[in-house]
Order: sequence, then structure tokens, then C-alpha cells
Amino acid sequence: GAGVSQSPSNKVTEKGKDVELRCDPISGHTALYWYRQSLGQGLEFLIYFQGNSAPDKSGLPSDRFSAERTGGSVSTLTIQRTQQEDSAVYLCASSPMSGGGNQPQHFGDGTRLSIL
Amino acid sequence: GENVEQHPSTLSVQEGDSAVIKCTYSDSASNYFPWYKQELGKGPQLIIDIRSNVGEKKDQRIAVTLNKTAKHFSLHITETQPEDSAVYFCAASTGRRALTFGSGTRLQVQP
Repeated sequence: GAGVSQSPSNKVTEKGKDVELRCDPISGHTALYWYRQSLGQGLEFLIYFQGNSAPDKSGLPSDRFSAERTGGSVSTLTIQRTQQEDSAVYLCASSPMSGGGNQPQHFGDGTRLSIL
Repeated sequence: GENVEQHPSTLSVQEGDSAVIKCTYSDSASNYFPWYKQELGKGPQLIIDIRSNVGEKKDQRIAVTLNKTAKHFSLHITETQPEDSAVYFCAASTGRRALTFGSGTRLQVQP
């Protein structure tokens, strides 16, 4: 069965450019999460979508970061005016039920973003 | 908010030995504690999880224990094999928001 799919797997861009990262969750999963993982570090929560509720944006580091989830499925994370400190692996996860973090989350392999 | 601390940051064991990774959490309302294994270039993979109404859970060579009073939980891997080499992350959640992760343990199993 298909797992969480993220694209692109790698992205290199120049400082100041905008980037879009895509996540296709597991079919039927109502909750979707974005995390950021800097080199050799743990995972940092960014944003959480739960069904039709307003997203939890409390982890977004600045207003340059935004995310959408269309039709309750695919999600796009957008970073505007990228900075070198945005370089990291961006991971998406989905879980089968709503209810915050109490359901097993299944991760994609991430997008490795490098800002030159 | 929740804070999760994980130790050790690196762990080297001989093949066949046991490995133990420990985590502590700060929010007494946390009630879900998963463990993830991450291999190079891959996303984290859930290997075992435990909920607050259970003190121990085992799945073949992997076990997790939870002490709610002390607010700590541990991962135990027995009879380690070279393919167990990876980075392991603990996490905690109250159910009101996403997971809070520990900083990871790099486990190396020497053949």
C-alpha cells in the first residue's frame, strides 16, 4: 500500500527565492503534520491539520512559512524569501484519526531543502 | 509546553548485547509515547508505542516501559543485530497537539 509521499525529495534554491513542498498523505488519514529536522537534530513541529478544523500553526517559526491542505488530502508547505537557516529536511506525517497526537503517525521520507 | 529529554545521544553495543535508551517528559498530562527508528535518508518509522494506561509493552526483541510517576519511559532492544543500527527518537503527546520529540540516540551495533 502507498505510504506518505513527499516531493521533491531534494530541493536546492538560492536565498530569497520561494519554495513549495508537497505532501500526499495516506488515503483516508484525516490528520496531517509538518515537521522540520535540522542536520543531526530532532524533529521540530511546524503545523498540524485535523479534518476540517482550523490548523494548529503554533510551530511555524516565522510569517515566511505557511501551509495549506486542499480537499482534506494533499498539503503544500510554502517558504517565502528563503534564508540559509531554512536549510533542513522537511518531514510530513499523517495519522488515521483526529484527536491531536494520540494516533500513530506515519512519516514520508522528507524533502531535503538546501538554501545557497 | 511539553519538553522531552533523551539519553544517551550515542550508544555503541556489541552484536547480541542489549541496548537501553531513556527519555523523560515534563507534562504530566502526556498519555501517548511512541518510539521511532530513522535510517539514513529515510523518514522516521514507528517501531513501538505505549499509552499511559499500560506500564510495559513488548514486541519480539523490542520493549518499552513507562513510569508515569517519575515521568520517564525507556526503549529496550535485546539481542541487537547490525540492522538495528540507526537513530532512535522518543516522543510524547497529550493528545491536544502534535508529538514532541526527543533529540535522538544514534545506536551503533558492532558485528
